Amino acid sequence: EVQLLESGGGLVQPGGSLRLSCAASRFTFSSYAMSWVRQAPGKGLEWVSSISGSGDSTYYADSVKGRFTISRDNSKNTLYLQMSSLRVEDTALYYCAKARAVSGGAFDCWGQGTLVTVSS
Amino acid sequence: DIQMTQSPSILSASVGDRVTITCRASQSVSSWLAWYQRKPGKAPNLLIYRASSLETGVPSRFSGSGSGTEFTLTISGLQPDDFATYYCQQYNNFWTFGQGTKVEIK
Repeated sequence: EVQLLESGGGLVQPGGSLRLSCAASRFTFSSYAMSWVRQAPGKGLEWVSSISGSGDSTYYADSVKGRFTISRDNSKNTLYLQMSSLRVEDTALYYCAKARAVSGGAFDCWGQGTLVTVSS
Repeated sequence: DIQMTQSPSILSASVGDRVTITCRASQSVSSWLAWYQRKPGKAPNLLIYRASSLETGVPSRFSGSGSGTEFTLTISGLQPDDFATYYCQQYNNFWTFGQGTKVEIK
């Protein structure tokens, strides 16, 4: 069974930085696009960023463009999200998700999430 | 950016009911539309992809239809385990979720 395990969340001050990781197992990691999705308290799901299987193509929501960087290390089966210039409105539960195809598609497997709290 | 609008936001229903949730896109997404179920404290679960394809392991009482800008998720014979929040998502142009529809017990 596919497994995704996020880590790296925590409390950070506005303007600070944080790096999230997502360790993947039990599937050929490099064959699938991966994404980050978040859910702020009391809000719905918000797509944050995606990366192709090779890592050559990256995509960002307007709300995080220029502040967040998605990357992956296929040799370590790990997905990353480097977050900088964090804002209070970035507070959310962050999920990593596996796409159904190498270039994208629907998200067929999700981790349990890691909580990011941006507060002074 | 493509906006996704779900209706209703809250749906009250009883076990055994047939329920339908609608999702409208601000522009055509062809059939690149997915539906997810989300329960409190759990990760979202993919139900339907490509508008009408049932994900492996999902009960057949779930079905999806539509193309272009209007889509529906139907649950035929609501079960106790189905009370949850449902989200549509387009993946034709980047990815966008609808705001969610909470299915609650009537």
